[in-house]
Amino acid sequence: QVVLTQSPSASASLGASVKLTCTLSSGHSTYAIAWHQQQPEKGPRYLMKLNSDGSHIKGDGIPDRFSGSSSGTERYLTISSLQSEDDGDYYCQTWGTGFWVFGGGTKLTVL
Amino acid sequence: QVQLVESGGGVVQPGRSLRLSCAASGFTFSTYNMHWVRQAPGKGLEWVAIIWYDGSNKYYADSMKGRFTISRDNSKNTVYLQMNSLRAEDTAVYYCARGQQPLDYWGQGTLVTVSS
Repeated sequence: QVVLTQSPSASASLGASVKLTCTLSSGHSTYAIAWHQQQPEKGPRYLMKLNSDGSHIKGDGIPDRFSGSSSGTERYLTISSLQSEDDGDYYCQTWGTGFWVFGGGTKLTVL
Repeated sequence: QVQLVESGGGVVQPGRSLRLSCAASGFTFSTYNMHWVRQAPGKGLEWVAIIWYDGSNKYYADSMKGRFTISRDNSKNTVYLQMNSLRAEDTAVYYCARGQQPLDYWGQGTLVTVSS
């Protein structure tokens, strides 16, 4: 089964950019993933589906500041022009026949 | 707009049962697969179960198999999670989510606390 690995934490300054990474387990480089955001004390929010070729489809109302890219087993979420409301947890998620799995999440702190 | 509203959470003793509901609106419910996902206090997201749009297929996370049952009523635009033999480690916020592959809409969750 696929395992998704995320760094536990990241930080960046207001107005700067940050790149979060989700790593698929070995042998699963063709898997698409999804990125989800969870602001403090709120339910998750779908950001985008990210394919292995780097193409991505964003969810409704997701700003252009959010973008995705891929390289091998790595899937990236880049947030530019960081705002205070970007503070929160970011989860990657993938799926296969009969399973759906989340990464452990990255806590992003906007300084 | 798409709305998912969970209900049915609360405090329950270990070994007892609880049924969660998720009422959907703003989309054609009968054409979408639906999921349950949970989040223990201070922890990450854990996928629980999925039910196909027509109820024909159901899948569960290994740790929930045999104790949890997902079902749906397309006439009521509602998905359910029946949880039996509850344990302290089932304490979590339970979210329903819509999704064919990525989960693309989420509810706000309902808190289940398993405690004596």
